[in-house]
Amino acid sequence: QVQLQESGPGLVKSSETLSLTCTVSGGSISSNYWTWIRQSPGMGLEWIGNIYYSGNTNYNPSLQSRVTISVDTSKTQFSLRLTSVTAADTAVYYCAKGRATYGPWGQGILVTVSS
Amino acid sequence: DIQMTQSPSTLSASVGDRVTITCRASQSINSWLAWYQQKPGKAPKLLIYEASNLEGGVPSRFSGSESGTEFTLTISGLQPDDFATYFCQQYDTLYTFGQGTKVEIK
Repeated sequence: QVQLQESGPGLVKSSETLSLTCTVSGGSISSNYWTWIRQSPGMGLEWIGNIYYSGNTNYNPSLQSRVTISVDTSKTQFSLRLTSVTAADTAVYYCAKGRATYGPWGQGILVTVSS
Repeated sequence: DIQMTQSPSTLSASVGDRVTITCRASQSINSWLAWYQQKPGKAPKLLIYEASNLEGGVPSRFSGSESGTEFTLTISGLQPDDFATYFCQQYDTLYTFGQGTKVEIK
């Protein structure tokens, strides 16, 4: 059974870059899409973007100018970078398997943007 | 952007009740709709995809249906484990979620 685990700093300063990694275990990262989703009280669940194992990416147009998702198949990891963060980027960030529907998900990591 | 509007936002019910949650899309999404269950402090769990197809391992008391741009999640015979928040999600054009429906104990 595939399992996902997010890791990274739980506190990021305003205007800096948020960086998170999702480690995939119990299965192959190949031949699959992998997605980042975030959840906040204000915005609810928001799709950030996805990546195919080959490296092709798709991003939410509202975040596209600030988001980069990358994959390292040798480490069975994929990563999220979000630049120039503000308080509005405070959320629980989830990684998940899938392009259009998602499962399983990681447990989520709370990232707080501080001023 | 396609907007997904769920109703009600909160629903009070008892064990054994039949529960219905509605999700309306702002435009046609064909049948590209999923339902998720989320419990406090946990990630969402996929229940139904393509409007009415049950994900593997999901109890058969969960079902989904559609009528035009209106989609329904029904729980037939609510169980204690079903008290949670439910989200719909469209995947016709990009990916957007409804705001959630909390099913609480009456």
